[in-house]
Amino acid sequence: AQKITQTQPGMFVQEKEAVTLDCTYDTSDPSYGLFWYKQPSSGEMIFLIYQGSYDQQNATEGRYSLNFQKARKSANLVISASQLGDSAMYFCAMREGQRNNDMRFGAGTRLTVKP
Amino acid sequence: DTGVSQNPRHKITKRGQNVTFRCDPISEHNRLYWYRQTLGQGPEFLTYFQNEAQLEKSRLLSDRFSAERPKGSFSTLEIQRTEQGDSAMYLCASSSIAGGTQYFGPGTRLLVL
Repeated sequence: AQKITQTQPGMFVQEKEAVTLDCTYDTSDPSYGLFWYKQPSSGEMIFLIYQGSYDQQNATEGRYSLNFQKARKSANLVISASQLGDSAMYFCAMREGQRNNDMRFGAGTRLTVKP
Repeated sequence: DTGVSQNPRHKITKRGQNVTFRCDPISEHNRLYWYRQTLGQGPEFLTYFQNEAQLEKSRLLSDRFSAERPKGSFSTLEIQRTEQGDSAMYLCASSSIAGGTQYFGPGTRLLVL
């Protein structure tokens, strides 16, 4: 069964506007962590933001925020004030339980920021 | 720069040849992970080490693949008798604690002709 689902293969956003990238997950473990990574064309995976399943508040890191809706099992990434350099692939990932040895990734969303 | 480094960045080889990749994790991180990423997909877990011990291997890691981390610092991933299906990006990541964020290196792009 697919653990992480990213339903948007590609997204476009106008520079300086906000964009939401969708991610839903599936787990029966009450303890889990959700991650978002950015992968530019160079290939490196860049960590953006983390949300723990027990965290009461949505995570924020600069222009990135995570809209965590636990009951709906969704963890959408919101990028505010988009910049041209935000154009990249974005991956949602999940680690289940206390283990950190098997992080599952979604198929990714390609974001293009238009000038 | 104290990030994760990987060498080589690109490797082209002929089918049947052996290849070896190296990963140097962030120096204070005791956990090291290998992932494989094929075109249009997210990374898939291959294996991980805690210090020098290889604690888990994915079913994706066939007998032709072997990974080592002899001194608990850098790691190598060797693919023997490469096949065209091995063509992918091989990513290495490290973390300091269980459940901690994994930080990735730039990857090694392998092309098997």
